[in-house]
Amino acid sequence: KQEVTQIPAALSVPEGENLVLNCSFTDSAIYNLQWFRQDPGKGLTSLLLIQSSQREQTSGRLNASLDKSSGRSTLYIAASQPGDSATYLCAVHAGTASKLTFGTGTRLQVTL
Amino acid sequence: NAGVTQTPKFRVLKTGQSMTLLCAQDMNHEYMYWYRQDPGMGLRLIHYSVGEGTTAKGEVPDGYNVSRLKKQNFLLGLESAAPSQTSVYFCASSYSDEGGQPQHFGDGTRLSIL
Repeated sequence: KQEVTQIPAALSVPEGENLVLNCSFTDSAIYNLQWFRQDPGKGLTSLLLIQSSQREQTSGRLNASLDKSSGRSTLYIAASQPGDSATYLCAVHAGTASKLTFGTGTRLQVTL
Repeated sequence: NAGVTQTPKFRVLKTGQSMTLLCAQDMNHEYMYWYRQDPGMGLRLIHYSVGEGTTAKGEVPDGYNVSRLKKQNFLLGLESAAPSQTSVYFCASSYSDEGGQPQHFGDGTRLSIL
C-alpha cells in the first residue's frame, strides 16, 4: 500500500528565506507526483506536476524535484513571502486508475 | 472561470438524515472525483467517475453513493448520515487519467453530522 509522508508537519520562517518542503513515498512505481497548495477554508490549488520520467519542474519561485528510486520529492520555495503561508500537500498517482495518495501536508507560515 | 463548483458550502445534519452534495465543472473534463479530508489523515478518495454514466469505488466508499448523469455534474449522496461522516468533502476533475493531467479541486463542503 502506497504511503506518503510529509515532514515537517509545520514550519515557520522569516520573510525572504529560501525553504525546502519534503515528501516521501513508499512505492516508487508512480505515474506522477503533484504538489498542491491549500489555503484555510479553501480547496487545493495545483502548483506543480512532475511526471515519472521527469526530474524536476519549475514555476516562478517554486521548484519541485523527484527522485523515484529513493521515493522522495522536494518543493523548493525561493525568497519566501507572507503570501506563501498555506498548507502544502504532495500526492502521488500510482496503482489503480485515478487514485491519488496524499500526504498530510506541511503547514507553512512566513512571518514579516 | 468557475472551474469546479461545490454546493452547499456548509451543512449540518442529524444522524440518519440523507443529503446530496453537488459538484459541477465547466472544463469539459471526463474524470471526476469525490474526496474526504479529515485531520491527520490526508485526503482519501471516496468514489470517482471516468465519464458520463460511469462510477467506481475509491478507497473509502462505504456509506456513500454517487451518480454521473451529466458529464458536468457528479453527485455524492449520503443515504443515512453517521457522525463518522463528519468531514470536509472535496470534488475534483481532470481531463484524463494519464500522467501529466492535474486534478482541479473545488472549495469543499464542510459537513457536520450530529
